[in-house]
Amino acid sequence: AQSVTQPDIHITVSEGASLELRCNYSYGATPYLFWYVQSPGQGLQLLLKYFSGDTLVQGIKGFEAEFKRSQSSFNLRKPSVHWSDAAEYFCAVGGSGNTGKLIFGQGTTLQVKP
Amino acid sequence: DTGVSQNPRHKITKRGQNVTFRCDPISEHNRLYWYRQTLGQGPEFLTYFQNEAQLEKSRLLSDRFSAERPKGSFSTLEIQRTEQGDSAMYLCASSPSLEPRYAFFGQGTRLTVV
Repeated sequence: AQSVTQPDIHITVSEGASLELRCNYSYGATPYLFWYVQSPGQGLQLLLKYFSGDTLVQGIKGFEAEFKRSQSSFNLRKPSVHWSDAAEYFCAVGGSGNTGKLIFGQGTTLQVKP
Repeated sequence: DTGVSQNPRHKITKRGQNVTFRCDPISEHNRLYWYRQTLGQGPEFLTYFQNEAQLEKSRLLSDRFSAERPKGSFSTLEIQRTEQGDSAMYLCASSPSLEPRYAFFGQGTRLTVV
């Protein structure tokens, strides 16, 4: 069965520091991978996605992610974090078939120190 | 087009009461999804529609839950005889059937059962 693991439940970084959020997936075929961000009490906003091709994908708000098939990982990175990046981040994998159904990790809460 | 719209944004209900939520997808998006998100967890898939047809239901969708999309446009999710364990954020998403991977989420409905 497909699954997504985000090993870090909570991460704190200083403003201006670099960020990496980890995501590991379990999927039998070529996965469709996503990162979403959620501010408190809000819905999900898509940061970036990987379907095929270049394994380094660029997203909104200066985020990028790298797909590594050998490690079953899709880690999210940002070179310099802003206070407004504090939020919850979810990695997701597209389910089997072509349903569009998503399987989410449990999320990583990012806190940004001034 | 203002994106996926969900109403109400917040709902407080007494245990045992019935509640109904509404989701208006992005215009011309054939697919509509419902997810549930409990505190500290990632969203979990509940069900999805292709036009008015409900194509898949998760085991999470107990007999007390029913979802409809009668005209293939807006959808409703009803919970009968609510329980405290139903307290969660209920998220709706929509996508075009030709590219179901491009799902857009609404702001969600926060349900609190007291």
